[in-house]
Amino acid sequence: ETGVTQTPRHLVMGMTNKKSLKCEQHLGHNAMYWYKQSAKKPLELMFVYNFKEQTENNSVPSRFSPECPNSSHLFLHLHTLQPEDSALYLCASSPQGGGFTDTQYFGPGTRLTVL
Amino acid sequence: GDSVTQMEGPVTLSEEAFLTINCTYTATGYPSLFWYVQYPGEGLQLLLKATKADDKGSNKGFEATYRKETTSFHLEKGSVQVSDSAVYFCALATIQGAQKLVFGQGTRLTINP
Repeated sequence: ETGVTQTPRHLVMGMTNKKSLKCEQHLGHNAMYWYKQSAKKPLELMFVYNFKEQTENNSVPSRFSPECPNSSHLFLHLHTLQPEDSALYLCASSPQGGGFTDTQYFGPGTRLTVL
Repeated sequence: GDSVTQMEGPVTLSEEAFLTINCTYTATGYPSLFWYVQYPGEGLQLLLKATKADDKGSNKGFEATYRKETTSFHLEKGSVQVSDSAVYFCALATIQGAQKLVFGQGTRLTINP
């Protein structure tokens, strides 16, 4: 059971395509996150949003463009990706910004393959 | 910078065996410590956490104690089940980077019947 949903679950795209990943949380949280999970590497934080405002960009290339229209929805727009961008992209949410004891709740992820 | 080091996997055990997955950390200040679990095809779920030294987190038979003197947060379970097969991640968060969870590389655990 999860209060964080992600669509699509699987995505295959070419390097010239434009696609978007969607995340929705039903937990009433105010902070949302994008992570990248690659094989044999620790999870990498990409972006953080608090109350719809971006508060963290972890040196992510501009071919990844996040959007947070409200506290319940988070998008990751993708364009001109590279094969090394193939990974599992995880969305998470937490109750409030700035709480280092807060638990983050994760979605199931989107498995992205870039050809 | 802050970092987390977990024991290398994969780890394979028989059902009812004792489990330990080691986790040590480096951090400025006094971090909060977490264990997350990822079952096949799913996202990460919080397993347990501890927010100050000597705290013990526990859930589903798993335990971990926050040891400041050894900068460790080892995960233990007395008797594992096949359903415990998953990837386990140790993570920390510090007040300096309040929302930045720093993860270890993960340890894949397989339990054989």
